[in-house]
Formats: sequence, C-alpha cells, structure tokens
Amino acid sequence: DQQVKQNSPSLSVQEGRISILNCDYTNSMFDYFLWYKKYPAEGPTFLISISSIKDKNEDGRFTVFLNKSAKHLSLHIVPSQPGDSSVYLCAASAGNQFYFGTGTSLTVIP
Amino acid sequence: NAGVTQTPKFQVLKTGQSMTLQCAQDMNHEYMSWYRQDPGMGLRLIHYSVGAGITDQGEVPNGYNVSRSTTEDFPLRLLSAAPSQTSVYFCASSYSISAINYGYTFGSGTRLTVV
Repeated sequence: DQQVKQNSPSLSVQEGRISILNCDYTNSMFDYFLWYKKYPAEGPTFLISISSIKDKNEDGRFTVFLNKSAKHLSLHIVPSQPGDSSVYLCAASAGNQFYFGTGTSLTVIP
Repeated sequence: NAGVTQTPKFQVLKTGQSMTLQCAQDMNHEYMSWYRQDPGMGLRLIHYSVGAGITDQGEVPNGYNVSRSTTEDFPLRLLSAAPSQTSVYFCASSYSISAINYGYTFGSGTRLTVV
C-alpha cells in the first residue's frame, strides 16, 4: 500500500514557465519530505527537503511547499529549463525509513 | 572519485542461485542502505545500517541478508534467487542517520534479472 503517491506520471512544460510537481502522502507521522531527480541508468540525486515544522523551503529556482492538513507537498521550478527534464521522486520519512513515490517524468520543451 | 560504488552493474541469475551485490562508499558515511526499484512502485527499503556491526530490516527484507563489518562496505546477499527478486537495486549512504533527512548519496544501481 503506497504511503507516498505521485499521481501524475508525466508533465510537459514550456521553457521559462513554472513546473509544479505534486505528491500526496497518507502517514501523518512523516516528519521529513525530500525530492530527488533521477536520470535513466543512474541513482537518484538529492534536490531539496523540508521538515514537517515548515510549510515552505526554497533553494534557487526550486521551492517545496508542504500542506500538512491536506497531506500534500509540491515542488515548484521557476523558471523551468530544458536541463530540468528528468524523473522527480518524492520521498517521506518516519524514523529511520524513507518511503518513495513512483515518480513524475518532467519534460521541459525549449 | 568520492561516492557510492555498486558492482556489478548488471547480473543474470538462475532461480536458486545465490550472489552478493557489492556496495562501497569512501565518504566515511555511517548510514548505508539498500533499496529495490520495481516498475509501478517507488523505491523500497530492504535493509539498512547505522554503523559498522549494526544492521536492521527495512520494508522488504525477506530473501536478503546483509552485514556491515566495515564503515565502507555494505554487501547485500541474495540467499536463493527467485524471479520476484528481478529488480534494480540501489545502495545509498548518508553521513549519519539524522542526516538522511538532508538527502542520501545513491549509487548508480545494479540491474538484476532472475530467470
């Protein structure tokens, strides 16, 4: 039973526009949330994280928003660039274990 | 180059065979873990270790064995391979268990097929 869900398998965005990737979770005990990028034949690469005590964390073009009441987080990329094209994995942790979503494939069209 | 090194990159096994997937890191990370990735599912934790001599089970430990005799190495053993263990396996490490909330360093994966 997936505790972390990414319901959109893919997303296409024009270069320069905003990309919004969404993630839903079911376990209210999750206390950290992370986003990873994943390219084919490579391991995931850490992108950004947020603690459950915050509702926003920003790092350059990347911002993660957390809505605990809705058990929802999102990753905003502004402006989107062709190099952002990748699979994005959402992950949540409770204690020593992380739970990952299935990923959203983002394509940024030049 | 500093990082997490996994060997082999590809492996085909026959049902019932055993093998060891190797994972080594040179960053002096205390925390190491193994995940598997299957189509339509997120990465799932198999086993993890918070330091040499200490291991624990993750979400899907059955059919796998681990040990951690050194800080650098965390091998994953398949005791008797089954087709259900066909997957891509990732090893990941972090400076400490508390630091995992700031991101793992992942290896590039081992693609295992059991026939």
